[in-house]
Amino acid sequence: GQQVMQIPQYQHVQEGEDFTTYCNSSTTLSNIQWYKQRPGGHPVFLIQLVKSGEVKKQKRLTFQFGEAKKNSSLHITATQTTDVGTYFCAGKTSGTYKYIFGTGTRLKVLA
Amino acid sequence: EAGVAQSPRYKIIEKRQSVAFWCNPISGHATLYWYQQILGQGPKLLIQFQNNGVVDDSQLPKDRFSAERLKGVDSTLKIQPAKLEDSAVYLCASSLDRSWTGPYEQYFGPGTRLTVT
Repeated sequence: GQQVMQIPQYQHVQEGEDFTTYCNSSTTLSNIQWYKQRPGGHPVFLIQLVKSGEVKKQKRLTFQFGEAKKNSSLHITATQTTDVGTYFCAGKTSGTYKYIFGTGTRLKVLA
Repeated sequence: EAGVAQSPRYKIIEKRQSVAFWCNPISGHATLYWYQQILGQGPKLLIQFQNNGVVDDSQLPKDRFSAERLKGVDSTLKIQPAKLEDSAVYLCASSLDRSWTGPYEQYFGPGTRLTVT
């Protein structure tokens, strides 16, 4: 079945450093969504990517969808303590209804 | 705009007992999802409704789990009987997705933390 893996599993950074998490799907995706989950909280939607090679920016966050639509990345520039949490990608395959969530990358930011 | 409501927020039961969770999605959202999130893992879809019809329940353990969405609005998820490995957070989410529109983002409720002892 479809699998979505994320690397790294954990990342500790000093405040001000950059951070990147990568999402890889075993199948071609029709679209991909990114969510952030704070400790003890629920996933909160960040962005959706639909087009091959698409790049979207939200302030310090840059999201990219691969040309083959099988991978995606989230890059945070100059991390802040408010960026702490687990970042999940969730991909949907064309012709299906459900999203498969990735394994998540847990980010800790040291002040 | 009110968010996705879930109750209860916490539940502790013994194995072999039954439990039910309730979800009220955002008004007007056609699609409703139930996810199971085990500690340290990503959410795993259990069942997905579009209006009051099931569009995916491939990962729902049907021998013990059941779910319904009456009148295409509220939904309940039941576990009967519970096992130790059912200990997890059960998340409900909703989205605007309909068969002819989308895709849209999912809005998650606060979840129900279930502990089975």
